Amino acid sequence: DGGITQSPKYLFRKEGQNVTLSCEQNLNHDAMYWYRQDPGQGLRLIYYSQIVNDFQKGDIAEGYSVSREKKESFPLTVTSAQKNPTAFYLCASSYQEEQFFGPGTRLTVL
Amino acid sequence: DQQVKQNSPSLSVQEGRISILNCDYTNSMFDYFLWYKKYPAEGPTFLISISSIKDKNEDGRFTVFLNKSAKHLSLHIVPSQPGDSAVYFCAARSMRVGGNKLVFGAGTILRVKS
Repeated sequence: DGGITQSPKYLFRKEGQNVTLSCEQNLNHDAMYWYRQDPGQGLRLIYYSQIVNDFQKGDIAEGYSVSREKKESFPLTVTSAQKNPTAFYLCASSYQEEQFFGPGTRLTVL
Repeated sequence: DQQVKQNSPSLSVQEGRISILNCDYTNSMFDYFLWYKKYPAEGPTFLISISSIKDKNEDGRFTVFLNKSAKHLSLHIVPSQPGDSAVYFCAARSMRVGGNKLVFGAGTILRVKS
């Protein structure tokens, strides 16, 4: 059963702590993406990776970091430098035009 | 600078009637457009797409129309069903400029009343 998994679904962290969100796909897609969704706004691109061991900043990369050591995995770290980390985070992968999304992780920073 | 705009935050439609969701864009380099549907606390799911070389694409109850001269696309849902109630995102891509990166609109909340 192919798809994208994100874990956990809900995550709570104290202010000042780094936190890593998991994203795994078994669709054999080369490209992977991280988005952030805030209320009343569309999906904004944080980072993307077209191929293993390579990634580029998206529109709102400040305060985030990623790695792409394996084709299947694209973890996102929300660092303490991110000023407003509370949001819904979505991971996606693509082969061509269409992007397939995971179920998302709701991060709340207390 | 919002390159993809969905100017209607919400739309309410009676079951069985037509739902029309609109999307405007500013970048003439966009060559592919997609519509996604999203339920609360879930990831978006792909609905329908259209290439810039076409002006219409149909899939069951869903039709997307593209007017390149007006830089406008619309999604028609006929007939609308209560299960269609969700947030609908319009997205666009420019292969020449951004590769397969998508630019999303802010979304329109569709409520289908039974």
